Amino acid sequence: KQEVTQIPAALSVPEGENLVLNCSFTDSAIYNLQWFRQDPGKGLTSLLLIQSSQREQTSGRLNASLDKSSGRSTLYIAASQPGDSATYLCAVKGGTSYGKLTFGQGTILTVHP
Amino acid sequence: GAGVSQSPSNKVTEKGKDVELRCDPISGHTALYWYRQSLGQGLEFLIYFQGNSAPDKSGLPSDRFSAERTGGSVSTLTIQRTQQEDSAVYLCASSPTGTANTGELFFGEGSRLTVL
Repeated sequence: KQEVTQIPAALSVPEGENLVLNCSFTDSAIYNLQWFRQDPGKGLTSLLLIQSSQREQTSGRLNASLDKSSGRSTLYIAASQPGDSATYLCAVKGGTSYGKLTFGQGTILTVHP
Repeated sequence: GAGVSQSPSNKVTEKGKDVELRCDPISGHTALYWYRQSLGQGLEFLIYFQGNSAPDKSGLPSDRFSAERTGGSVSTLTIQRTQQEDSAVYLCASSPTGTANTGELFFGEGSRLTVL
C-alpha cells in the first residue's frame, strides 16, 4: 500500500526566503507525482505535475524534483511571498494514467511580511 | 464549463437524513474521482469513474455511500442515513483522456457537509 509523507508539517518563514518542502513515498512504481496548493476553505490548485520519467518541472518561482528510485520529491519555492501562504500537498499516482492519487498530509506554509 | 463545478458548496443536515452531492467535470474529461477531506485525516480516495463505469470503488467507507455517473459527465455522490462522522469536505476531480492524458487531476472547490 502506497504511503506518502510530507515534512515538515508546518513551516513559518519571513518574506523573501527560499524554502524546500519534502515529500516521500514508499512504492516507487508511480505513474506521476503532483504538487497542489490549498487555500483555507478552497479546493486544490495544481501547481506542478512530474511524470515518472521526468526529473523536475518548473513554473515561475516553483521547482519540483523527483527521484523515483529513492521515493522522494521536493518542492522548492524561491523568494517566498505572503501570498504563498497555504497548505501544500504532494500526491502520487500509482500504476496507470487513471490510477488514484495517494496524498500526503500536507505542509502548512506561513510567509510573514 | 471552465473548471470542475460542485454543488452544493455547503450542506448542513440532520443525522439520519440522506444527502446528494453533485459534480460537473471539465467538458471532455472521461475520468472522474471523488475524495473526502476530514479534519486530521487528510485526503481520502472514495471512488473513480471511467465514463459511466466505476472500476475502483474501494474507498467507499460503507454501504451508505454510493455514486453514479450518467452520460459520461455529471456524477452524484449519495450518502444515506448520514452520521456525524460523515462531516467532511467532499472533493471531486476530473482528468483528460486520449493524447492529452497526462494523468493530471483538476479539482473542484468541494462540498462541505456538516451532519448535526
